[in-house]
Amino acid sequence: DAKTTQPPSMDCAEGRAANLPCNHSTISGNEYVYWYRQIHSQGPQYIIHGLKNNETNEMASLIITEDRKSSTLILPHATLRDTAVYYCILHFSGGYNKLIFGAGTRLAVHP
Amino acid sequence: GAVVSQHPSRVICKSGTSVKIECRSLDFQATTMFWYRQFPKQSLMLMATSNEGSKATYEQGVEKDKFLINHASLTLSTLTVTSAHPEDSSFYICSAYSGGAERNTEAFFGQGTRLTVV
Repeated sequence: DAKTTQPPSMDCAEGRAANLPCNHSTISGNEYVYWYRQIHSQGPQYIIHGLKNNETNEMASLIITEDRKSSTLILPHATLRDTAVYYCILHFSGGYNKLIFGAGTRLAVHP
Repeated sequence: GAVVSQHPSRVICKSGTSVKIECRSLDFQATTMFWYRQFPKQSLMLMATSNEGSKATYEQGVEKDKFLINHASLTLSTLTVTSAHPEDSSFYICSAYSGGAERNTEAFFGQGTRLTVV
C-alpha cells in the first residue's frame, strides 16, 4: 500500500471546522483513501472513505483532489469529544486487506 | 455498525506466565481478523492476520511461537502471549471486516486489551 503523510498535530477551537490534511502522492488508481480515528485508550473507529469523489456522512466530509495526491478530512463543527489521533490510510476496497497505520495527526479540540 | 468485542479489557500478569486475549465478532462472521500492538504514544503495529481454520500469517519480526493465534470459529480469534515479560506490556487491539470479501468497506476494531506484565 502507498504511504501517506500527515502533520503530527493540530489544534482546533470547539465549534469550528477542523481540516486535517493528508498527502498520498504515490497513490495507485484502485486505492481508496480511508480515515480512522483513535480516542485515547480505545480501539480505532472508522470515519469515512473515498476513491475520487468527495464524500460526506454524519461524521465528516472527505475532499480528494482531482489528481488524488492529497485529501482533507473535515469535521464541520468540532467538539471536545473529537480530540483524538486521526489516521489517513490507503488500501484496496474488497478483499480482507490489512490496514497499515502511520503516525497520524493528533487533533486537540479546545474550548 | 458491526461490533467487535475484546476480553479482557485489562490484565495484569506475572512474568513468565501466559495470557489469552479473546476477540469476538458479535453480529457478523469474520473469516479474517487482525491483531495489532500499540506502545504508549506510538501508532498501531500490525502483528498478524488471523485466518479461520488455518494458520495465522505473521508480520516480519513478530515471533509466532510467542504470540499464538487461534481462529477456531467464524466469530472468535484468540491471541495468547506466552511466557510474558515486562517488554510485552502493551495495548493489544483486534479488528475484523464485516460482510463478504467482495463487500467489505471498513474495519471494525475491538476496544483493546491493556496488558501489564510485572
